[in-house]
Amino acid sequence: GNSVTQMEGPVTLSEEAFLTINCTYTATGYPSLFWYVQYPGEGLQLLLKATKADDKGSNKGFEATYRKETTSFHLEKGSVQVSDSAVYFCALSAYNNNDMRFGAGTRLTVKP
Amino acid sequence: DSGVTQTPKHLITATGQRVTLRCSPRSGDLSVYWYQQSLDQGLQFLIQYYNGEERAKGNILERFSAQQFPDLHSELNLSSLELGDSALYFCASSTGTSTANEQFFGPGTRLTVL
Repeated sequence: GNSVTQMEGPVTLSEEAFLTINCTYTATGYPSLFWYVQYPGEGLQLLLKATKADDKGSNKGFEATYRKETTSFHLEKGSVQVSDSAVYFCALSAYNNNDMRFGAGTRLTVKP
Repeated sequence: DSGVTQTPKHLITATGQRVTLRCSPRSGDLSVYWYQQSLDQGLQFLIQYYNGEERAKGNILERFSAQQFPDLHSELNLSSLELGDSALYFCASSTGTSTANEQFFGPGTRLTVL
């Protein structure tokens, strides 16, 4: 079946450090891929998405590229801020049905 | 503020009971999704409704049911509650039928089963 695996946290970084959160997926066909972010006490918000191979999603300095050959969608940011502290979820939506799968989430803490 | 509202914010009940969670989608959104977030299972998709009709089913237990009303608000009914049903329940909405569309999440209802 469809599934998403993302790196376990928590991840703790200093402000202005480089961030990578790994995400790999298993799916039939060509799913859409997402990164959602959950700030403390809130619901999830879409951070970025990509709908086909080699697409790059980007938002607020975050980027992720849809790599079909490695079935990956790693999240990166060149310089993190304290305000980026949150839980990040990688997710997929299967192309032929509405099966939505989320990874376990990675908690990021950025220290000043 | 996503525009999605959920009530109640917190709910505490006992095993064997039944509860109803309510969700109002963003204005203009026809799809409503329900999710369960727990420490051991993570975030799981339960069910989707589109314009009053069930559209997709995920890992929803038979003890759980949902519906979407003509005014597009949705209710998730949980019955014969067990300790393991304690979780955060999110509702999300989107414009179209596909989960590939951006979903807007509500703040959640925290259910505690004692």
